[in-house]
Amino acid sequence: DTAVSQTPKYLVTQMGNDKSIKCEQNLGHDTMYWYKQDSKKFLKIMFSYNNKELIINETVPNRFSPKSPDKAHLNLHINSLELGDSAVYFCASSQENGRNTGELFFGEGSRLTVL
Amino acid sequence: AQSVSQHNHHVILSEAASLELGCNYSYGGTVNLFWYVQYPGQHLQLLLKYFSGDPLVKGIKGFEAEFIKSKFSFNLRKPSVQWSDTAEYFCAESGGSYIPTFGRGTSLIVHP
Repeated sequence: DTAVSQTPKYLVTQMGNDKSIKCEQNLGHDTMYWYKQDSKKFLKIMFSYNNKELIINETVPNRFSPKSPDKAHLNLHINSLELGDSAVYFCASSQENGRNTGELFFGEGSRLTVL
Repeated sequence: AQSVSQHNHHVILSEAASLELGCNYSYGGTVNLFWYVQYPGQHLQLLLKYFSGDPLVKGIKGFEAEFIKSKFSFNLRKPSVQWSDTAEYFCAESGGSYIPTFGRGTSLIVHP
């Protein structure tokens, strides 16, 4: 079983469209994250979320929004896609409840291409 | 703000050469430190981690890293690299917020 799974793996879409990337973890972790990896491989935190708190990187445009139906899922919704949104988006999870050390378990990534 | 610096962006080695990748972090408090590896086309996987205790940490596939608090460093080493070590290597730290901050990564190419 894949611990952190993301769908779709590849997404090609036109500018201006709205799209979502789904993420699910079966590790029982309380905290989930979205990272963006650009063409130079730089990993940038976008969101950190658990059932208590959403932490948003203030540099992330408000066109990006995380949606969590339950603690095992954290989906990423993107409105009005722009060319610069093309990247690989990684979902990750980690333990919480006093044992969080920042060790992350990553999904396989979703490569978004905006034309 | 926390930051992580990886000074070697691209490293090219021949098989059996020794490897050392530099990593420096800025957070002045208690930190947890990590090295992750991303093989071509794959997701990031944990290579090794330091939380406390022995500053010399051993990870998978013969990698090790040394935490030197006075230098704010956590360099990654391997005495003899293999072609299969070709990958991107990311240093990361989580300080007070436990949200990991990543370095820009080092691309390692090992020639057979």
